[in-house]
Amino acid sequence: AQKITQTQPGMFVQEKEAVTLDCTYDTSDPSYGLFWYKQPSSGEMIFLIYQGSYDQQNATEGRYSLNFQKARKSANLVISASQLGDSAMYFCAMREGARGSTLGRLYFGRGTQLTVWP
Amino acid sequence: GAGVSQSPSNKVTEKGKDVELRCDPISGHTALYWYRQRLGQGLEFLIYFQGNSAPDKSGLPSDRFSAERTGESVSTLTIQRTQQEDSAVYLCASTSPYTEAFFGQGTRLTVV
Repeated sequence: AQKITQTQPGMFVQEKEAVTLDCTYDTSDPSYGLFWYKQPSSGEMIFLIYQGSYDQQNATEGRYSLNFQKARKSANLVISASQLGDSAMYFCAMREGARGSTLGRLYFGRGTQLTVWP
Repeated sequence: GAGVSQSPSNKVTEKGKDVELRCDPISGHTALYWYRQRLGQGLEFLIYFQGNSAPDKSGLPSDRFSAERTGESVSTLTIQRTQQEDSAVYLCASTSPYTEAFFGQGTRLTVV
Protein backbone atom coordinates (compact mmCIF):
# COMPACT_ATOMS: atom_id res chain seq x y z
CA ALA A 1 0.00 0.00 0.00
CA GLN A 2 1.10 3.53 -0.68
CA LYS A 3 2.36 5.29 2.40
CA ILE A 4 1.56 8.74 1.00
CA THR A 5 -1.15 9.47 -1.54
CA GLN A 6 -1.55 12.74 -3.38
CA THR A 7 -4.53 12.43 -5.68
CA GLN A 8 -4.24 15.76 -7.48
CA PRO A 9 -1.62 15.68 -10.23
CA GLY A 10 -2.33 19.33 -11.02
CA MET A 11 -4.14 22.22 -9.41
CA PHE A 12 -4.88 25.71 -10.64
CA VAL A 13 -5.64 28.74 -8.50
CA GLN A 14 -6.03 32.41 -9.16
CA GLU A 15 -3.65 34.81 -7.51
CA LYS A 16 -4.76 35.91 -4.01
CA GLU A 17 -7.11 32.97 -3.64
CA ALA A 18 -6.61 30.09 -1.21
CA VAL A 19 -5.89 26.56 -2.36
CA THR A 20 -5.87 23.17 -0.65
CA LEU A 21 -3.53 20.39 -1.72
CA ASP A 22 -4.62 16.96 -0.59
CA CYS A 23 -2.51 14.34 1.14
CA THR A 24 -3.49 11.10 2.83
CA TYR A 25 -1.12 8.75 4.57
CA ASP A 26 -0.98 5.20 5.80
CA THR A 27 0.83 4.07 8.94
CA SER A 28 0.24 1.91 11.97
CA ASP A 29 2.93 3.67 13.97
CA PRO A 30 1.36 5.99 16.57
CA SER A 31 4.34 8.33 16.30
CA TYR A 32 5.04 9.98 12.98
CA GLY A 33 5.74 13.32 11.37
CA LEU A 34 4.23 14.84 8.28
CA PHE A 35 6.04 17.27 6.02
CA TRP A 36 5.31 19.39 3.01
CA TYR A 37 7.98 20.42 0.54
CA LYS A 38 7.87 22.77 -2.41
CA GLN A 39 9.93 22.14 -5.53
CA PRO A 40 10.01 25.05 -7.98
CA SER A 41 11.23 24.62 -11.53
CA SER A 42 14.77 25.25 -10.31
CA GLY A 43 14.64 21.82 -8.70
CA GLU A 44 15.52 22.67 -5.11
CA MET A 45 13.47 21.08 -2.36
CA ILE A 46 12.15 23.69 0.05
CA PHE A 47 10.72 22.65 3.40
CA LEU A 48 7.40 24.34 4.16
CA ILE A 49 5.74 22.91 7.24
CA TYR A 50 5.81 20.05 9.75
CA GLN A 51 3.06 18.35 11.79
CA GLY A 52 3.74 15.78 14.48
CA SER A 53 1.22 13.06 15.14
CA TYR A 54 0.82 14.14 18.75
CA ASP A 55 0.55 17.84 18.01
CA GLN A 56 -2.77 19.09 19.25
CA GLN A 57 -3.00 22.07 16.96
CA ASN A 58 -2.68 22.34 13.22
CA ALA A 59 0.70 23.63 12.14
CA THR A 60 0.96 27.06 10.55
CA GLU A 61 3.86 28.84 8.91
CA GLY A 62 2.98 32.19 7.45
CA ARG A 63 0.63 31.61 4.52
CA TYR A 64 0.92 27.84 4.89
CA SER A 65 -1.22 25.78 7.22
CA LEU A 66 -1.66 22.08 7.55
CA ASN A 67 -5.19 20.75 7.98
CA PHE A 68 -4.43 17.66 10.07
CA GLN A 69 -7.28 15.18 10.45
CA LYS A 70 -5.77 12.27 12.29
CA ALA A 71 -8.79 9.96 12.23
CA ARG A 72 -9.03 10.35 8.46
CA LYS A 73 -5.24 10.15 8.08
CA SER A 74 -5.14 13.29 6.05
CA ALA A 75 -2.69 16.17 6.11
CA ASN A 76 -3.81 18.71 3.56
CA LEU A 77 -1.74 21.80 2.84
CA VAL A 78 -3.62 25.07 2.67
CA ILE A 79 -1.96 28.02 0.97
CA SER A 80 -3.72 31.28 1.62
CA ALA A 81 -3.48 34.35 -0.61
CA SER A 82 -1.69 32.53 -3.42
CA GLN A 83 1.13 34.30 -5.20
CA LEU A 84 2.58 33.74 -8.65
CA GLY A 85 5.75 32.50 -6.99
CA ASP A 86 3.80 29.66 -5.40
CA SER A 87 3.67 27.91 -8.76
CA ALA A 88 5.67 24.74 -8.17
CA MET A 89 5.44 21.04 -7.44
CA TYR A 90 4.36 20.25 -3.88
CA PHE A 91 5.26 17.03 -2.12
CA CYS A 92 3.74 15.55 1.00
CA ALA A 93 6.02 13.29 3.05
CA MET A 94 5.87 11.17 6.18
CA ARG A 95 8.46 9.84 8.54
CA GLU A 96 7.55 7.21 11.11
CA GLY A 97 8.90 7.67 14.62
CA ALA A 98 8.53 10.63 16.94
CA ARG A 99 10.59 13.75 16.61
CA GLY A 100 13.61 13.26 18.81
CA SER A 101 13.59 9.49 18.42
CA THR A 102 15.33 7.13 16.07
CA LEU A 103 14.38 8.18 12.60
CA GLY A 104 12.45 6.10 10.15
CA ARG A 105 12.42 6.20 6.40
CA LEU A 106 11.05 9.33 4.75
CA TYR A 107 8.21 8.52 2.34
CA PHE A 108 7.07 10.92 -0.38
CA GLY A 109 3.91 11.22 -2.40
CA ARG A 110 3.91 11.69 -6.18
CA GLY A 111 3.39 15.41 -5.88
CA THR A 112 0.88 18.03 -7.02
CA GLN A 113 1.81 20.61 -9.63
CA LEU A 114 0.30 23.94 -8.57
CA THR A 115 -0.15 26.70 -11.09
CA VAL A 116 -1.09 30.18 -9.91
CA TRP A 117 -2.54 32.43 -12.59
CA PRO A 118 -2.93 36.20 -12.46
CA GLY B 1 28.98 25.30 4.14
CA ALA B 2 25.94 24.88 6.33
CA GLY B 3 23.79 22.95 3.90
CA VAL B 4 23.83 19.56 2.20
CA SER B 5 26.39 19.56 -0.57
CA GLN B 6 26.27 17.28 -3.59
CA SER B 7 28.89 16.82 -6.25
CA PRO B 8 29.13 16.94 -9.12
CA SER B 9 26.14 19.13 -9.91
CA ASN B 10 26.04 17.76 -13.44
CA LYS B 11 27.49 14.59 -14.89
CA VAL B 12 27.38 13.36 -18.47
CA THR B 13 28.64 9.85 -18.96
CA GLU B 14 28.73 7.26 -21.67
CA LYS B 15 26.54 4.21 -21.43
CA GLY B 16 28.38 1.41 -19.70
CA LYS B 17 30.65 3.62 -17.64
CA ASP B 18 30.61 3.75 -13.83
CA VAL B 19 29.75 6.95 -11.98
CA GLU B 20 30.15 8.02 -8.39
CA LEU B 21 27.96 10.68 -6.80
CA ARG B 22 28.89 12.33 -3.55
CA CYS B 23 26.83 13.78 -0.72
CA ASP B 24 28.16 15.83 2.18
CA PRO B 25 25.42 16.00 4.82
CA ILE B 26 24.95 18.67 7.42
CA SER B 27 27.30 18.05 10.32
CA GLY B 28 25.65 16.12 13.11
CA HIS B 29 22.81 14.76 11.00
CA THR B 30 22.43 11.09 11.78
CA ALA B 31 20.19 10.10 8.87
CA LEU B 32 20.94 10.37 5.17
CA TYR B 33 18.67 9.55 2.24
CA TRP B 34 19.21 9.12 -1.48
CA TYR B 35 16.36 9.65 -3.95
CA ARG B 36 16.13 9.55 -7.71
CA GLN B 37 13.89 11.96 -9.59
CA ARG B 38 13.24 11.44 -13.27
CA LEU B 39 12.08 14.39 -15.32
CA GLY B 40 8.61 15.48 -14.26
CA GLN B 41 8.29 12.65 -11.78
CA GLY B 42 8.22 12.28 -8.02
CA LEU B 43 10.98 11.19 -5.67
CA GLU B 44 11.94 7.55 -5.90
CA PHE B 45 13.52 6.23 -2.71
CA LEU B 46 16.87 4.53 -3.18
CA ILE B 47 18.63 4.02 0.16
CA TYR B 48 18.59 5.29 3.73
CA PHE B 49 21.37 5.40 6.33
CA GLN B 50 20.62 5.87 10.02
CA GLY B 51 23.64 6.22 12.27
CA ASN B 52 25.51 2.94 12.60
CA SER B 53 22.50 0.79 11.76
CA ALA B 54 22.42 -1.36 8.65
CA PRO B 55 21.22 0.77 5.75
CA ASP B 56 17.79 0.30 4.22
CA LYS B 57 18.68 -0.63 0.65
CA SER B 58 15.20 -1.69 -0.36
CA GLY B 59 14.86 1.04 -2.99
CA LEU B 60 17.97 0.29 -5.00
CA PRO B 61 16.67 -0.64 -8.46
CA SER B 62 19.36 -3.17 -9.35
CA ASP B 63 22.69 -4.56 -8.23
CA ARG B 64 24.37 -1.94 -10.41
CA PHE B 65 23.52 0.55 -7.68
CA SER B 66 25.36 0.70 -4.37
CA ALA B 67 25.95 3.29 -1.69
CA GLU B 68 28.23 3.74 1.25
CA ARG B 69 28.39 6.03 4.21
CA THR B 70 31.15 6.18 6.76
CA GLY B 71 29.72 6.96 10.19
CA GLU B 72 27.71 10.16 10.01
CA SER B 73 29.74 11.75 7.26
CA VAL B 74 30.01 11.66 3.50
CA SER B 75 28.01 9.23 1.41
CA THR B 76 28.74 8.04 -2.10
CA LEU B 77 26.24 6.52 -4.52
CA THR B 78 27.84 4.40 -7.21
CA ILE B 79 26.15 3.32 -10.40
CA GLN B 80 28.01 0.70 -12.39
CA ARG B 81 27.61 0.08 -16.11
CA THR B 82 25.27 3.03 -16.49
CA GLN B 83 22.22 2.73 -18.71
CA GLN B 84 20.18 5.45 -20.37
CA GLU B 85 17.30 4.83 -17.96
CA ASP B 86 19.63 5.89 -15.13
CA SER B 87 19.42 9.47 -16.42
CA ALA B 88 17.80 11.51 -13.66
CA VAL B 89 18.48 13.93 -10.86
CA TYR B 90 19.87 12.19 -7.79
CA LEU B 91 18.92 13.97 -4.58
CA CYS B 92 20.50 13.52 -1.20
CA ALA B 93 18.96 14.65 2.07
CA SER B 94 20.11 14.58 5.66
CA THR B 95 18.25 15.03 8.89
CA SER B 96 18.52 14.83 12.64
CA PRO B 97 15.81 13.69 15.06
CA TYR B 98 14.66 17.24 15.67
CA THR B 99 14.63 18.69 12.19
CA GLU B 100 13.08 18.30 8.82
CA ALA B 101 15.11 16.72 6.03
CA PHE B 102 17.42 19.14 4.26
CA PHE B 103 18.10 18.45 0.61
CA GLY B 104 21.11 19.09 -1.54
CA GLN B 105 20.82 20.68 -4.96
CA GLY B 106 21.07 17.30 -6.62
CA THR B 107 23.30 15.75 -9.25
CA ARG B 108 21.87 15.74 -12.75
CA LEU B 109 23.08 12.56 -14.42
CA THR B 110 22.82 12.17 -18.18
CA VAL B 111 23.78 8.88 -19.78
CA VAL B 112 24.47 9.14 -23.50
